[in-house]
Amino acid sequence: GESVGLHLPTLSVQEGDNSIINCAYSNSASDYFIWYKQESGKGPQFIIDIRSNMDKRQGQRVTVLLNKTVKHLSLQIAATQPGDSAVYFCAETGAGAGSYQLTFGKGTKLSVIP
Amino acid sequence: GAVVSQHPSWVICKSGTSVKIECRSLDFQATTMFWYRQFPKQSLMLMATSNEGSKATYEQGVEKDKFLINHASLTLSTLTVTSAHPEDSSFYICSAIPPQGEGPKNIQYFGAGTRLSVL
Repeated sequence: GESVGLHLPTLSVQEGDNSIINCAYSNSASDYFIWYKQESGKGPQFIIDIRSNMDKRQGQRVTVLLNKTVKHLSLQIAATQPGDSAVYFCAETGAGAGSYQLTFGKGTKLSVIP
Repeated sequence: GAVVSQHPSWVICKSGTSVKIECRSLDFQATTMFWYRQFPKQSLMLMATSNEGSKATYEQGVEKDKFLINHASLTLSTLTVTSAHPEDSSFYICSAIPPQGEGPKNIQYFGAGTRLSVL
């Protein structure tokens, strides 16, 4: 997994613009990826997931892109709203039916400017 | 569905006392729950995997005698921070996985977290 830093990367976007949050993972054996949103003082909330046999998955206003060649994951949020302000974490897990543990990335703080 | 409740949300205690945090899956049975610790502006760090009816599996560097985990039922896991000290102050978060076949694989649903402040 990624190293944990003392300062979260921050992304500031204007309300209504699209946001792109990136994540690099290190384990080439990971076969399942999840994006979580964590608001201040709360636990992470599931946003969207993607399996390694896919390169794109869309949800409501969110799209996840997976590039296994360079081990890169991104989360795109369309028409960003103030309620989207939070810290976003990518998480990965390994192959196999018994693989439940998640490894979390360092997180990106998204700030939406009204 | 897949709601995880964590209690208390905030606790202040004196150094040397023990604190118990509860994690409950409200609308599903969870054979596996996880406990994480999160420092300000940092990511979640897995402390241990809690399995119903068996001993928890602790991550390297986590003291099992310090952080006691009990998963006595399919809907409840508890984390007890024993003889807490100021350096144990942190945000503790639990998660649970619904049984296989009741949702996408490996999605962990998280509680709201417990902020522990040790004076």
